[in-house]
Amino acid sequence: ETGVTQTPRHLVMGMTNKKSLKCEQHLGHNAMYWYKQSAKKPLELMFVYNFKEQTENNSVPSRFSPECPNSSHLFLHLHTLQPEDSALYLCASSQEGVRGSYNEQFFGPGTRLTVL
Amino acid sequence: GENVEQHPSTLSVQEGDSAVIKCTYSDSASNYFPWYKQELGKRPQLIIDIRSNVGEKKDQRIAVTLNKTAKHFSLHITETQPEDSAVYFCASKGGGSQGNLIFGKGTKLSVKP
Repeated sequence: ETGVTQTPRHLVMGMTNKKSLKCEQHLGHNAMYWYKQSAKKPLELMFVYNFKEQTENNSVPSRFSPECPNSSHLFLHLHTLQPEDSALYLCASSQEGVRGSYNEQFFGPGTRLTVL
Repeated sequence: GENVEQHPSTLSVQEGDSAVIKCTYSDSASNYFPWYKQELGKRPQLIIDIRSNVGEKKDQRIAVTLNKTAKHFSLHITETQPEDSAVYFCASKGGGSQGNLIFGKGTKLSVKP
């Protein structure tokens, strides 16, 4: 498979469940991102990993826990979520260079999460 | 931090007409401005981008203009077609230490045949 893939594509979970979202990029990129997309809201950046190091955490609640074991894989571990966490979770990757460089972010298809 | 405002939130045009979507940004150090198209149930995909050293860029029916002084940039789609119907997002890459993309809220474009 090429590009950025995400599994599962759909997930329904209760508030007490623990689940994980997986993202894999096949583009040789060195940066990966998690975004949350809710209705009528802009794409919200959650986490950024650059060269496997977390470089951004946009005040995301601790019930969301990212993991980046290598530059090709990114996980989002979910625990004790709330109904308002229901959204489309998008993963993206890019090849980042020196500070101030600009490169296209490629998005995965997303995981549609519903918290009951 | 950087803030990106996008207007309008919805836009309906007749097939063949032009569509214009406008965005403003707050960080004067921003240097990269991509536009993404997201069709229903699909992932956002880059359709055009512009760097801060360029004022205009065109790719077939799509063009983007940038006014650095006013801190706004616009997407222009000419000769619209039904397949142009989608949600369009503008974004700005800030000039801070990380320079991450900040997205606008999106514009839902409907092209009526």
